[in-house]
Amino acid sequence: DQQVKQNSPSLSVQEGRISILNCDYTNSMFDYFLWYKKYPAEGPTFLISISSIKDKNEDGRFTVFLNKSAKHLSLHIVPSQPGDSAVYFCAASALRGSARQLTFGSGTQLTVLP
Amino acid sequence: DSGVTQTPKHLITATGQRVTLRCSPRSGDLSVYWYQQSLDQGLQFLIQYYNGEERAKGNILERFSAQQFPDLHSELNLSSLELGDSALYFCASSVGQVFYGYTFGSGTRLTVV
Repeated sequence: DQQVKQNSPSLSVQEGRISILNCDYTNSMFDYFLWYKKYPAEGPTFLISISSIKDKNEDGRFTVFLNKSAKHLSLHIVPSQPGDSAVYFCAASALRGSARQLTFGSGTQLTVLP
Repeated sequence: DSGVTQTPKHLITATGQRVTLRCSPRSGDLSVYWYQQSLDQGLQFLIQYYNGEERAKGNILERFSAQQFPDLHSELNLSSLELGDSALYFCASSVGQVFYGYTFGSGTRLTVV
């Protein structure tokens, strides 16, 4: 049962344009959402997060939008740069007992073309 | 360098064998998490330790086990290895149980032949 889904395995965008990466979730207990970026041969690195009490969080070129009613979040990168080419993982967090866990999506490979 | 150290970086072993993957968390982090990433799959949560105690279990096979030592480093033991166990194994750490993001190591690539 995939609780966090990234339905687009890959996305190509021209440099300077907007990249929009999407993520859907099914578990209404998730209350915190994160995006990670992963380059080849490296571990995922934290990019940006959003609490379920907000609908938008912005950090420089990166903005995450949360639509709780649709159980959908998206990551916008504007403007996209070739260095943004990486795999992007969406993750959702819920408290289970005394432990908080992250559930990851399968990732979207973003390629920014120069 | 994220501060989370995983060794070895690469491991090739035969089916039926046993291996141990090692993780040193970031300084000050008490929680360690193990994740498995198979080909074209997302990161699958295996197990979490907090200050030496097991806190949560995910999709971890019975052939797999882990522990966290008093110095907070953790080991993931994989036994009776099968071809399907070939994957990237990531360790992550966080300062406590309530967190706003993990810090990941660069992973161990296990190839079972």
